[in-house]
Amino acid sequence: DGGITQSPKYLFRKEGQNVTLSCEQNLNHDAMYWYRQDPGQGLRLIYYSQIVNDFQKGDIAEGYSVSREKKESFPLTVTSAQKNPTAFYLCATSGGALGADTQYFGPGTRLTVL
Amino acid sequence: AQTVTQSQPEMSVQEAETVTLSCTYDTSESNYYLFWYKQPPSRQMILVIRQEAYKQQNATENRFSVNFQKAAKSFSLKISDSQLGDTAMYFCALRINTGKLIFGQGTTLQVKP
Repeated sequence: DGGITQSPKYLFRKEGQNVTLSCEQNLNHDAMYWYRQDPGQGLRLIYYSQIVNDFQKGDIAEGYSVSREKKESFPLTVTSAQKNPTAFYLCATSGGALGADTQYFGPGTRLTVL
Repeated sequence: AQTVTQSQPEMSVQEAETVTLSCTYDTSESNYYLFWYKQPPSRQMILVIRQEAYKQQNATENRFSVNFQKAAKSFSLKISDSQLGDTAMYFCALRINTGKLIFGQGTTLQVKP
């Protein structure tokens, strides 16, 4: 089955803990992105990566970290330094037939801090 | 600064009728892309339609079409023959040359039977 997968679907975190959200794709897309969505709001960019072993901060990178060791994978770690991490997190990729200008999204992970 | 504004937080339409969602944007770049995404209750973001700024012809995808007014920096979405499955939050987005997508705040559309 092709596409973008995110796991887990729901994640609960205690204050002070780091957690890692998974994003995997088998579309052979070069670029991958992480967005955060708060209730009733649009998406805000956390980090993005256009090639393996390279990534850039987005608009709200503080308290988050990423790695891009493989083309297929772009995990996001939410650290204890992120003051308000409860949100919906979406991973996206771009590339392929429509080129780098169109992003396609995974199903998302809902993170709740207890 | 690049911005995207959706001025209609909520809209409703009767099934089979037509509805238009508004979006305005601001960018200093000459080459960019505009998108409409749909987010149903499942929260999956689904691409509805895309428009390349250098193309004057308005994009169309089945019941969905856009009115792209480049000089006015306006990018509205028209949904014809509305269906119950069109009920969702709709986001307008601007892609700038770094690859970043900038999203509007969204418009919640309710299609009524």
